[in-house]
Amino acid sequence: QKEVEQDPGPLSVPEGAIVSLNCTYSNSAFQYFMWYRQYSRKGPELLMYTYSSGNKEDGRFTAQVDKSSKYISLFIRDSQPSDSATYLCATVSLGSSNTGKLIFGQGTTLQVKP
Amino acid sequence: ETGVTQSPTHLIKTRGQQVTLRCSSQSGHNTVSWYQQALGQGPQFIFQYYREEENGRGNFPPRFSGLQFPNYSSELNVNALELDDSALYLCASSNTGPAFFGQGTRLTVV
Repeated sequence: QKEVEQDPGPLSVPEGAIVSLNCTYSNSAFQYFMWYRQYSRKGPELLMYTYSSGNKEDGRFTAQVDKSSKYISLFIRDSQPSDSATYLCATVSLGSSNTGKLIFGQGTTLQVKP
Repeated sequence: ETGVTQSPTHLIKTRGQQVTLRCSSQSGHNTVSWYQQALGQGPQFIFQYYREEENGRGNFPPRFSGLQFPNYSSELNVNALELDDSALYLCASSNTGPAFFGQGTRLTVV
C-alpha cells in the first residue's frame, strides 16, 4: 500500500465549477500536509500548507484535513481555465521535522474548460 | 516564482555518462532536497542536505550523490546513467517551514 494515494484523473470540469481533489494516507501519525500545483513542464508550486485537522482557506482554495479518516482534500471554488494543472498532495515522513522528506501522491490532472 | 533556481533546464545524455545538476536555494534557506519525478508520477525523494551534511536518503542507488556548499547551494551527481534515469529532477529548499521547488531540470538519457 502506498503511503499517499491520489486518483490521477484526469478530471475535466466547466469554468466556474467547484472542484474537489482528494488524497488518502496510510499512517495516522502524519502531521503536516501540503497541496502543490504543477503546470506542465514546471516545478511544483506550494498552494496550501496545513498542520492540524480542519479547514484552511486562501482565496478560492480551501484545504481540509480529516485525521480520523486519514483523508485530505483541496476545494477550488469558481474554477478558472488557469487552474488547469496537476495537483499534488504531500505529507512529511515520520521522524522528520516539517522540513523533512516529502511523500507525494501521484497527482491529479485537472482541466477547466472555458 | 520562488527563489530556487536550477540549471540547466534541459539536458540530453548518453547511457553510461555522468551528469551534474545544480541548485541555488532560496535566500535564508539552509536545507536542500532533491526529487526525481517520472512522467505521470509524483516526485520521489532522493536525498536531503542540511548545513552541508546529508540528512536523509530515499531508495536510490549510490550512483546518485550530492553536495551542499557553504552558501547552501547544492549539486546532484548521477554516474553511469541508465535509460530509466530520464525524468524531471527537482530541487526544493526550506528552512523552518514547507519546501519551495525550483522549475526542475529535465534529463533525457538516450
